[in-house]
Amino acid sequence: QSALTQPASVSGSPGQSITISCTGTSSDVGRYHYVSWYQHHPGKVPKLIIYDVSYRPSGVSNRFSGSKSGNTASLTISGLQSEDESDYYCCSYTSNSALVFGGGTRLTVL
Amino acid sequence: EVLLVGSGGGLVQPGGSLRLTCAASNFPFSDFGMSWVRQAPGKGLEWVSGIDRSGSRTFYADSVKGRFTISRDNSRNTLYLQMNSLTVEDTAVYYCAKDVSWSLTHFDSWGQGTLVSVSS
Repeated sequence: QSALTQPASVSGSPGQSITISCTGTSSDVGRYHYVSWYQHHPGKVPKLIIYDVSYRPSGVSNRFSGSKSGNTASLTISGLQSEDESDYYCCSYTSNSALVFGGGTRLTVL
Repeated sequence: EVLLVGSGGGLVQPGGSLRLTCAASNFPFSDFGMSWVRQAPGKGLEWVSGIDRSGSRTFYADSVKGRFTISRDNSRNTLYLQMNSLTVEDTAVYYCAKDVSWSLTHFDSWGQGTLVSVSS
């Protein structure tokens, strides 16, 4: 169960859009639509922002969107705001009946 | 509002054991799968273990298989994680998390976390 691969950090200016990639294998991201994304502010509990690749829970801003192509899932945040500065993690169900997280991406809003 | 309160963390020596508890309230506990997720200091989130709503199916990360045991008591609305043969690599904040389904998919509620420190 190797962690999914995410960039360690991304940055963008307010109002811009950024995309965070999450690369797995044909045994996890590429095989299942159970890909989710979590926002985790240090000192707080993680918050679900995308599930089943591209669905947003009630109450999550439509500035957050998700997609998948092959073994890579992506999270796009449009219209960046200062409160978006946080750590972001992808997560996927795997063929071993387990879940695996990505290594996490620190988003900095410049 | 869903409430998950984790407890049982603390300082333990390498090779020791610890049992974490997660008390759940304000939702039908027996309808949902539950998991434990941890975050080591300065590291990312790591899924540790999950259990289906009835407790009949359990799931483990390779890193803890054979050492940790997840269980639940639906009559007490409580989730457990028995951790044996602890190593320094198990040092982390442990979160209990509620799945949106009866099994293992994704988590819509998290507990506040309980700190486990393994050190001599």
